[in-house]
Amino acid sequence: EDQVTQSPEALRLQEGESSSLNCSYTVSGLRGLFWYRQDPGKGPEFLFTLYSAGEEKEKERLKATLTKKESFLHITAPKPEDSATYLCAVEMDTGRRALTFGSGTRLQVQP
Amino acid sequence: DTEVTQTPKHLVMGMTNKKSLKCEQHMGHRAMYWYKQKAKKPPELMFVYSYEKLSINESVPSRFSPECPNSSLLNLHLHALQPEDSALYLCASSQAPTRGEKLFFGSGTQLSVL
Repeated sequence: EDQVTQSPEALRLQEGESSSLNCSYTVSGLRGLFWYRQDPGKGPEFLFTLYSAGEEKEKERLKATLTKKESFLHITAPKPEDSATYLCAVEMDTGRRALTFGSGTRLQVQP
Repeated sequence: DTEVTQTPKHLVMGMTNKKSLKCEQHMGHRAMYWYKQKAKKPPELMFVYSYEKLSINESVPSRFSPECPNSSLLNLHLHALQPEDSALYLCASSQAPTRGEKLFFGSGTQLSVL
């Protein structure tokens, strides 16, 4: 069965304390891996798409990387405004156009 | 305009009521989606419309009825819902239902069923 697992479930950081979030997947053919940020009571906001192992994308303090089994979202020197739930989602290469989401990592950055 | 607009933002309904959720986008996107999200859970796919035709129905109960009147609008008609249907309902769109197209999400409708 195709699965997407995110860890840790929750993470509390001090402002400026860098860390990484993990998204591991077991899917039969990965078409794309997506990272989204979601604030409470809001819809997910697109961050990155990764297509193949070795690919990296950066945006401000965030950097996403992809291997054949997992993806990391690295957060460098986070600020309180980075506090949110970070969702990983995969699109499988089955011809079915749909995303399967992981359970997310709830990040809290304290000043 | 890069927004997906959902109305209403909040909805409270009884189990015998009929209501509709609305979603609108003016980005020229040809794929539109309904997701359901329970508290502290990931979004779960309900329906996908591709070029205004229903392409995916994730075995959703018939008390949820989607409709795509045109390429910019998506509705979700609700009837005889149960309290466990209370959730955040998210609409999303993408340029086309092809590989790697990012989804743009609306802010959602927070639904409470009494």
